[in-house]
Amino acid sequence: GENVEQHPSTLSVQEGDSAVIKCTYSDSASNYFPWYKQELGKRPQLIIDIRSNVGEKKDQRIAVTLNKTAKHFSLHITETQPEDSAVYFCAARKAAGNKLTFGGGTRVLVKP
Amino acid sequence: EADIYQTPRYLVIGTGKKITLECSQTMGHDKMYWYQQDPGMELHLIHYSYGVNSTEKGDLSSESTVSRIRTEHFPLTLESARPSHTSQYLCASWTWGGEQFFGPGTRLTVL
Repeated sequence: GENVEQHPSTLSVQEGDSAVIKCTYSDSASNYFPWYKQELGKRPQLIIDIRSNVGEKKDQRIAVTLNKTAKHFSLHITETQPEDSAVYFCAARKAAGNKLTFGGGTRVLVKP
Repeated sequence: EADIYQTPRYLVIGTGKKITLECSQTMGHDKMYWYQQDPGMELHLIHYSYGVNSTEKGDLSSESTVSRIRTEHFPLTLESARPSHTSQYLCASWTWGGEQFFGPGTRLTVL
């Protein structure tokens, strides 16, 4: 089955700096890659996703890049703010698949 | 308002009790999911459903059971709660576009 690895497990950045989280997946049939943000005590929220027919997608300060050949995708957060502090999860899903496979999560701390 | 609803939000219960965690969605989504998550940790899929009368076990072995009698309702039952069941349980459903959204979760404590 699909396996998704996520690095780093924790990330501390200074406010205003950029943060990058990387995920690798094992199944080349995967074609949908969402990212979730989970604040303390809250539910995971979908913040951005990318499909395999696109190499990059951007939404304000967050962007996701996908390298299908290398089977990895990354989340980029620019100009980080304290409210970006959360746990971030990547995930992958195969075409016509019925479940997401999640990475282990990255705890991001933005220091003011 | 279209959303995923979970009740109760918090539950403290003694060992050996039977409990049912409720999940409902008003969007008519066919695919629904249950995850178990210790706070801030990995998400473990324990059950899912493709639609009415369809249930499947997830990747993490669980002593819970689920049913799907109605599209909007996907309850999870623990026949005999144990302290090892203490965790957060998150319900989720898929939109028609394949995006997954989570409910607010039930935080369960078994004494």
